[in-house]
This record gives sequence, C-alpha cells and structure tokens, in this order.
Amino acid sequence: DVVMTQSPLSLPVTLGQPASISCRSSQRLVDSAGNTYLNWFQQRPGQSPRRLIYKVSERDSGVPDRFSGSGSGTDFTLKISRVEAEDVGVYYCMQGTHWPNTFGQGTKLEIK
Amino acid sequence: EVQLVESGGGLVQSGRSLRLSCTASGFTFGEYAMSWFRQAPGKGLEWVGVIRSEAYGATTDYAASVKGRFTISRDDSKGIAYLQMNSLKTEDTAVYYCSRGRLDVDCWGQGTLVTVSS
Repeated sequence: DVVMTQSPLSLPVTLGQPASISCRSSQRLVDSAGNTYLNWFQQRPGQSPRRLIYKVSERDSGVPDRFSGSGSGTDFTLKISRVEAEDVGVYYCMQGTHWPNTFGQGTKLEIK
Repeated sequence: EVQLVESGGGLVQSGRSLRLSCTASGFTFGEYAMSWFRQAPGKGLEWVGVIRSEAYGATTDYAASVKGRFTISRDDSKGIAYLQMNSLKTEDTAVYYCSRGRLDVDCWGQGTLVTVSS
C-alpha cells in the first residue's frame, strides 16, 4: 500500500496567519494517463470529512480561495493563506491513484 | 443538492452481523462508484471498500482488514448502497461513512456509528 506521511501532525496557528501542511507519498501518484489523484479533506470537530482539493490543486465548489493545493510526484502541500476560526479541525490528504486509497495520519489545526 | 445518508448502525456483539445503508439523492446514483470508509474513535480515516457502477460491472474491492467478512452491494433503482458486515470484531468499532466516487471521492454522508462489544 502507498504510505502517506503528513507533517506536522499538530499545527497551532495565529488567526490571520498562513498555514502549510505537507503530505508525502511512498510512491509517485501520477497514473498512466497523467492524472494525479491527490485529495485534501477537512474534518471539523464532530463533522464528517469535507473535500477541499482534488487532483492536487483543484478547489471544490464553495471552498474559500484562501485554501490552495500544490505539488507533484511524491510531495504535496495544502496552504491556507490566512487562517480563520472556522478552519479549526483535522486535515487529511488521501491518494486515489493506487489501490487501495490511503490517507495521511491527519494534521490537527488549532488556533494559538 | 447531493446528499448521502447512512443508517443501520448500532451496538452489536462480536461475531454478529449488521447491514448499513447509504441513501443517495441529488444526483444520478447509477452513474457513480460508491465508497465506504470508517473512522475508529479518535483515529484517522480508513478506506473500507468500493462498488463500481453497473457500467463497470458493479465490481467490488475491499480493504484487507474486511475482505471475506464485508460485502458491498447497490440498488440503483432505489439509489441505495449497502455494506453488509459479517463476523464483526471489536476492532470494527467505528463511524462508517459512504461517499461518492472512487479515485476522487467528493461528497460524504454524516456517518453511522457501529459499536462491536465483546
């Protein structure tokens, strides 16, 4: 299975400041058609996961533009340009390129 | 609006069975693969399995931890995906989520809690 490694696992951030989460995969995530199925999910306390980003950098409808995804190969990043109170929660990366789908351990974002 | 609603969770003894349902609305259910995930209390997310659309033979894949015990099926006429869980173990205790898609899972339900007691 592809191992997804996130860092940091805990991310205290001051309101209005930027935040960045890294996700590294044990194998390259580009498939034979050139697609990279790397997703980012946000899970707020007591809620189900919500997808923010798909295919590395495509933002889902309704997701604020302060969220952005980047990366290629085995290294990927989720960035929040200015953290707001509603961003508190756990963030997961997930790859869908290789069977089975696998997740990172999660990064807990909290307000400092 | 796309909606997924899981149901059927509850408290069950080890070794027994339970069937979860995922009722979909707001999209053409038959055109999509449907995936199941779970999250043990205080833990991360784990993929459980997937059922492809009829166009892809409604084939299924399962995580190694549930293969041979869990079965996913679908009723496209009702817009429902099922997760039949047999020979349940205490380590199957988790919130179970269904979601739309396979490679790019997008929408998730609210989840249903399954607690397996010894």
